Amino acid sequence: DAKTTQPPSMDCAEGRAANLPCNHSTISGNEYVYWYRQIHSQGPQYIIHGLKNNETNEMASLIITEDRKSSTLILPHATLRDTAVYYCIVRFRINTGTASKLTFGTGTRLQVTL
Amino acid sequence: EAQVTQNPRYLITVTGKKLTVTCSQNMNHEYMSWYRQDPGLGLRQIYYSMNVEVTDKGDVPEGYKVSRKEKRNFPLILESPSPNQTSLYFCASGGTLSGNTIYFGEGSWLTVV
Repeated sequence: DAKTTQPPSMDCAEGRAANLPCNHSTISGNEYVYWYRQIHSQGPQYIIHGLKNNETNEMASLIITEDRKSSTLILPHATLRDTAVYYCIVRFRINTGTASKLTFGTGTRLQVTL
Repeated sequence: EAQVTQNPRYLITVTGKKLTVTCSQNMNHEYMSWYRQDPGLGLRQIYYSMNVEVTDKGDVPEGYKVSRKEKRNFPLILESPSPNQTSLYFCASGGTLSGNTIYFGEGSWLTVV
């Protein structure tokens, strides 16, 4: 699996957009970018994923650069409940055997403040 | 509602006393997996299963067993627990089609004394 690099921590004011960057310069054409978050010690929560096009859902937007070497997760209006550790994960697109594994790094600890 | 359910959520046990952590999913997923999370080490995969009767080792399988007799259930078995298996455990499940999302349970806190 390609390795990802994220800043260890970020702060964001409540109501503002939180932009979380991720570098995945060794990503291959067969790998997706996934984002999960973990609030305290709860189970990791799926946020969004993409292959090469930008994606948006009810939680967030994912912007992937044209060369696919980096991406940004955007929480458009951060709230206190968005305080969590956010993980950017690269995963093989075909779910077979070890390719289904999610390799979690250390993530970005996002602190949303009043 | 799509769910991955683990039991027990909290357990304190003694060294050597066999225990089983159950995991059940209601999404008809083929893929299921167990992870453990330890401070400073992140989440590490213990075992995974691609379908009924198909299981394989992850990164840290020593001291654990699993079985997949039914599609919805994937229990994690500690035959002889030791203190170094004190950890937070997560079960996960997902489809096997390209790009399918993997969902996690709420976690099981296990303490071995």
